Amino acid sequence: DSGVTQTPKHLITATGQRVTLRCSPRSGDLSVYWYQQSLDQGLQFLIQYYNGEERAKGNILERFSAQQFPDLHSELNLSSLELGDSALYFCASSLAGGRYTDTQYFGPGTRLTVL
Amino acid sequence: LAKTTQPISMDSYEGQEVNITCSHNNIATNDYITWYQQFPSQGPRFIIQGYKTKVTNEVASLFIPADRKSSTLSLPRVSLSDTAVYYCLVGDSGGSGTYKYIFGTGTRLKVLA
Repeated sequence: DSGVTQTPKHLITATGQRVTLRCSPRSGDLSVYWYQQSLDQGLQFLIQYYNGEERAKGNILERFSAQQFPDLHSELNLSSLELGDSALYFCASSLAGGRYTDTQYFGPGTRLTVL
Repeated sequence: LAKTTQPISMDSYEGQEVNITCSHNNIATNDYITWYQQFPSQGPRFIIQGYKTKVTNEVASLFIPADRKSSTLSLPRVSLSDTAVYYCLVGDSGGSGTYKYIFGTGTRLKVLA
């Protein structure tokens, strides 16, 4: 158990809908990262927040957005969902602002299925 | 943008040493290289991290050459429970100053009895 929690574990929804994925980092960690894992794209970095501020941005679609709240939990919002958004979404957390030596610890993931 | 490539799959027998290489041609100058293990439908699990030369912990060793354009994860005496997918993770500072995290393509290791 990494100490990172994600809810829900599974999510099934329809195209065009909007969903919110939630992540609670390990105690003491200030950074939260979001990744998408699909069969054809592998593990793709989406976005990182550090102490409430956006720190790094990857291949995140405009339909997706994220934020980190004062209590350091984070939410990933996915809107206008398409079939291709079906994937495993992982949250990770690290102690500091990332880069260099900061180790990321991953949660169990949320499996999103868009029908 | 960094391209991090790994062999797609490897087979090994129990008790053997396994070496998995990751090529990362555009790693950010000051970044460490991190390796993860992933079982089906689970999050990646941290194995080892290093910057250069050799790092060893209780489960693996990591070899990084001077140019840091590749790294090799070494798993000594694998067992059936080591059957998993292994990923490297590096940072890429990018040409425009944007910073991203890049996972390798993943190596599916199958350990045979």
